[in-house]
Amino acid sequence: DAGVTQSPTHLIKTRGQQVTLRCSPKSGHDTVSWYQQALGQGPQFIFQYYEEEERQRGNFPDRFSGHQFPNYSSELNVNALLLGDSALYLCASRLAGAYEQFFGPGTRLTVL
Amino acid sequence: LAKTTQPISMDSYEGQEVNITCSHNNIATNDYITWYQQFPSQGPRFIIQGYKTKVTNEVASLFIPADRKSSTLSLPRVSLSDTAVYYCLVVPMNRDDKIIFGKGTRLHILP
Repeated sequence: DAGVTQSPTHLIKTRGQQVTLRCSPKSGHDTVSWYQQALGQGPQFIFQYYEEEERQRGNFPDRFSGHQFPNYSSELNVNALLLGDSALYLCASRLAGAYEQFFGPGTRLTVL
Repeated sequence: LAKTTQPISMDSYEGQEVNITCSHNNIATNDYITWYQQFPSQGPRFIIQGYKTKVTNEVASLFIPADRKSSTLSLPRVSLSDTAVYYCLVVPMNRDDKIIFGKGTRLHILP
């Protein structure tokens, strides 16, 4: 079992650009959540997807959007990048109704 | 959502038992207490979860008093590889609700 995988591992963008990050959940998991983790801070919840729909959302602007595909994989899209969007973006998966989340290694996004 | 408070950092030595206490005064009846561990440049990893009294697994023990307003994560005989950030979370029994992380406790194990 490969666990949760994310791509790319690192990404450098400039202000105003758009970025798409990808996540493949752990085998058998159907619920995917995305988190943003700034340096020295805990992960901040962005949103959660289940059955291809956004089910929960944290305090993030509409520039942050996502998608879940029929195979449960997910994408996080960020438009009009700001310097403050530089962070580690984490994807976590679990079975609906389960407590334990499994996190991927993250994508390190740097906005210049 | 219940907010948690835990020490920003702690130091200990190899072979010692480490106890990290978390305060969650506003915990609700249907909330569980969950701890995650995070190493640098990695995603958090689930350690242990409990509702009341004591829970033990191969990694740690979790002690929860009767009023559930605090909890203590106990790591027996720590090693250098236990150096990490430890997060205490309060997770709703409605398991599909969002999970909120605080700033965690940065544990540094010294030789």
